[in-house]
Amino acid sequence: GAVVSQHPSWVICKSGTSVKIECRSLDFQATTMFWYRQFPKQSLMLMATSNEGSKATYEQGVEKDKFLINHASLTLSTLTVTSAHPEDSSFYICSARDRRQGYTEAFFGQGTRLTVV
Amino acid sequence: GENVEQHPSTLSVQEGDSAVIKCTYSDSASNYFPWYKQELGKRPQLIIDIRSNVGEKKDQRIAVTLNKTAKHFSLHITETQPEDSAVYFCAAKTGANNLFFGTGTRLTVIP
Repeated sequence: GAVVSQHPSWVICKSGTSVKIECRSLDFQATTMFWYRQFPKQSLMLMATSNEGSKATYEQGVEKDKFLINHASLTLSTLTVTSAHPEDSSFYICSARDRRQGYTEAFFGQGTRLTVV
Repeated sequence: GENVEQHPSTLSVQEGDSAVIKCTYSDSASNYFPWYKQELGKRPQLIIDIRSNVGEKKDQRIAVTLNKTAKHFSLHITETQPEDSAVYFCAAKTGANNLFFGTGTRLTVIP
């Protein structure tokens, strides 16, 4: 299957700082990528849809100014958590769908565990 | 948007028995229903999927059924093995191409 790489795998940052998470599709082009947040023992909550060359579409309740998404190329989307606070600590995971497979199966990155201290 | 509900939240079965996980969805325009398996600390992996024009799909010990009229779909695992222990998520893809996940089921297979 297609490969999606996410970096970093884990990060610890101080309150008030910003953290950037990268999501790359390694062997296919992804015009659309998705960002999810997962709390311990809970489901994946869709945060936003990242569209190459245009603004991201955010789900209701997600602060677009806090979670900045940039999809600058067909293989890279970034999520920046700005002015991070302890309540932003979570597991963030991206996914992308391969156009060659009809945009169905979602391939996930390995996730980023963010801890804000 | 789409609302996907999943039951049960936890499920324990004896090795060799069958496990069934059920999901319902709200958006009648949803047309693709994948199931993911997530082991602790790892990324979700697709295990089986079904499209809205099909009622049932089987892959070895895993099967998925879809009832479009009732808007529910189920995952069936037969002859369960300890390595089947994980969290399973159902999902539904809406017409807007977004994928919404159920709340997850923690399956434990007891040897």
